[in-house]
Amino acid sequence: HSTLTQPASVSGSPGQSITISCTTTNNDIDAFNYVSWFQQHPGRAPNLIVYDVTGRPSGISGHFSGSKSGNTASLTIFGLQAEDEADYYCASSTTGLTWVFGGGTKLTVL
Amino acid sequence: QGHLIQSGPELKRPGAALKISCKASGYDFNDFAIHWVRQAPGKGLEWMGWIDTSNRKATYADDFAGRLVFSLDNGVKTAYLQIRTLTSDDAAMYFCARLNSWRFTAYFDYWGQGTVVTVSS
Repeated sequence: HSTLTQPASVSGSPGQSITISCTTTNNDIDAFNYVSWFQQHPGRAPNLIVYDVTGRPSGISGHFSGSKSGNTASLTIFGLQAEDEADYYCASSTTGLTWVFGGGTKLTVL
Repeated sequence: QGHLIQSGPELKRPGAALKISCKASGYDFNDFAIHWVRQAPGKGLEWMGWIDTSNRKATYADDFAGRLVFSLDNGVKTAYLQIRTLTSDDAAMYFCARLNSWRFTAYFDYWGQGTVVTVSS
């Protein structure tokens, strides 16, 4: 089974942009057919911010952007705001049926 | 707008059984699978498996196979997670999530609020 590797932490100042990576150990090119990103504030349920690699749910602005290159998916947050401070998780599936989550990245807004 | 509402916090002794619920509203329950996700204190999200709400077939992640039972009561639009014999490692927050999937798209769009499970003697 594949593993998704994320940096444990990233940080940035308000107004800056940051990127969080999510790398799969699976060399199967289809391993990243479905990639989602979630934001989770302490004590809350995860909230979907990117789906299908680049899609944005309604209500989620261009402040968040997803991309993929090779075996790495990325989440970019443009113009950091204090309320972006949270944990971020990637999740992927080959078939859309079984899923794996990345270990999570703690974002600190300085 | 759909919602998933989970049952309240649980305090259990090691060796006890656990059953938590996830009640759906605002959409056709039979059209979307329910997945379960665990989060141990201070740790990341861990996918546990899923249940097909139309044919009741359950699929479990390898790490949980043999210890879990997913079930449904379609009449009340509710999914259940059972753990047969709790250990201290099962202390966690448990989430249910709806998988929105058709053709070439798949994502978890609705999440329950989470159920905290404490295991202590």
